[in-house]
Amino acid sequence: SQQGEEDPQALSIQEGENATMNCSYKTSINNLQWYRQNSGRGLVHLILIRSNEREKHSGRLRVTLDTSKKSSSLLITASRAADTASYFCATDKTGGYNKLIFGAGTRLAVHP
Amino acid sequence: IAGITQAPTSQILAAGRRMTLRCTQDMRHNAMYWYRQDLGLGLRLIHYSNTAGTTGKGEVPDGYSVSRANTDDFPLTLASAVPSQTSVYFCASSPYPGQGAQEQYFGPGTRLTVT
Repeated sequence: SQQGEEDPQALSIQEGENATMNCSYKTSINNLQWYRQNSGRGLVHLILIRSNEREKHSGRLRVTLDTSKKSSSLLITASRAADTASYFCATDKTGGYNKLIFGAGTRLAVHP
Repeated sequence: IAGITQAPTSQILAAGRRMTLRCTQDMRHNAMYWYRQDLGLGLRLIHYSNTAGTTGKGEVPDGYSVSRANTDDFPLTLASAVPSQTSVYFCASSPYPGQGAQEQYFGPGTRLTVT
């Protein structure tokens, strides 16, 4: 069974708009990570947020974590066509020893 | 070039045949992982290894085996392939499992089709 569930499954926006993707999970976690996957390629790590953190920024990325609601969001500001990819959240469960559990992903399409 | 390499890039395999997917990393990471990615299901962990000489089962280990004879290599073997093992397989690594939060580094994947 999957720990993380992303919402929406697919998102289509215009360049310059912001993109928000959400992730919900079921059990307590050590940390939550977001990864990006371009079509036909491997996953690339974007950002990691620990369970005692509420918000984290990296360039145009902003991640929030609400452990009381067991949810996280990834915001990409001022999107570009090059941001077109699938985005996955992955959770490291408490006691999971860095074995990540991935959600099904959000497919983002950014149109020029 | 530092990172993870996987071989082959893609393979078509007859059901019942044996197949080993290769994974090599040059980052001297202790932990390595094998995932499969199926449409609509994200990635699922097959097997993992926290350090050379040790391995463990992930979420979907049945039909697969792994070995970790040294730090760099982590081959995944399908003893007798079945069509349900058609998938894209990703190898990943991380520096020190269990020592705090760590990102994982992924290889480019192997696309396997079992007919």
